[in-house]
Amino acid sequence: EAQVTQNPRYLITVTGKKLTVTCSQNMNHEYMSWYRQDPGLGLRQIYYSMNVEVTDKGDVPEGYKVSRKEKRNFPLILESPSPNQTSLYFCASSFGAGLEAFFGQGTRLTVV
Amino acid sequence: TQLLEQSPQFLSIQEGENLTVYCNSSSVFSSLQWYRQEPGEGPVLLVTVVTGGEVKKLKRLTFQFGDARKDSSLHITAAQPGDTGLYLCGSSNTGKLIFGQGTTLQVKP
Repeated sequence: EAQVTQNPRYLITVTGKKLTVTCSQNMNHEYMSWYRQDPGLGLRQIYYSMNVEVTDKGDVPEGYKVSRKEKRNFPLILESPSPNQTSLYFCASSFGAGLEAFFGQGTRLTVV
Repeated sequence: TQLLEQSPQFLSIQEGENLTVYCNSSSVFSSLQWYRQEPGEGPVLLVTVVTGGEVKKLKRLTFQFGDARKDSSLHITAAQPGDTGLYLCGSSNTGKLIFGQGTTLQVKP
């Protein structure tokens, strides 16, 4: 089954404790991206990657890192999480930026 | 930076009513996508519009792309409780895939 898999689905952590949210897709998509979703603000793009070893900042990249060492994986790294990063995070993949995006089921992160 | 403005942000209607959701930008879209998101899930693509003036239908949903490709609308005829959800428009801009704020639709039985 074609899918985007994020882990974990839920995470509660403390300020400053490094964490990684994994994202994997099995559709051989070139384009992958991370979003955060906050009430009233819609989906805001954090980082995106057009292909392996190519990553670019989205609209809200501060406090986040990503890597794209393999085509299928695109982990999101929070080196020192802060409470303002409490949010619902989505990973998405597609064959291109303007083409149908497939989303993971989301990771609800709480930073206390 | 291209921005997508959606309106209204919230809509609560009775079953059987019609509604329209709008998506506007000050810039020209290369293409525009409409997604629907249910609670606890990621967004799922409904349709992509590419050509100015294009109209696409998906059962009771009608999608229009403005002639100048700067606006789009989603019209739902005879809304049903199963239409409840968050509707998002999205478009690509220099490699980024950006979205509007979304329209939360509640259809009451």
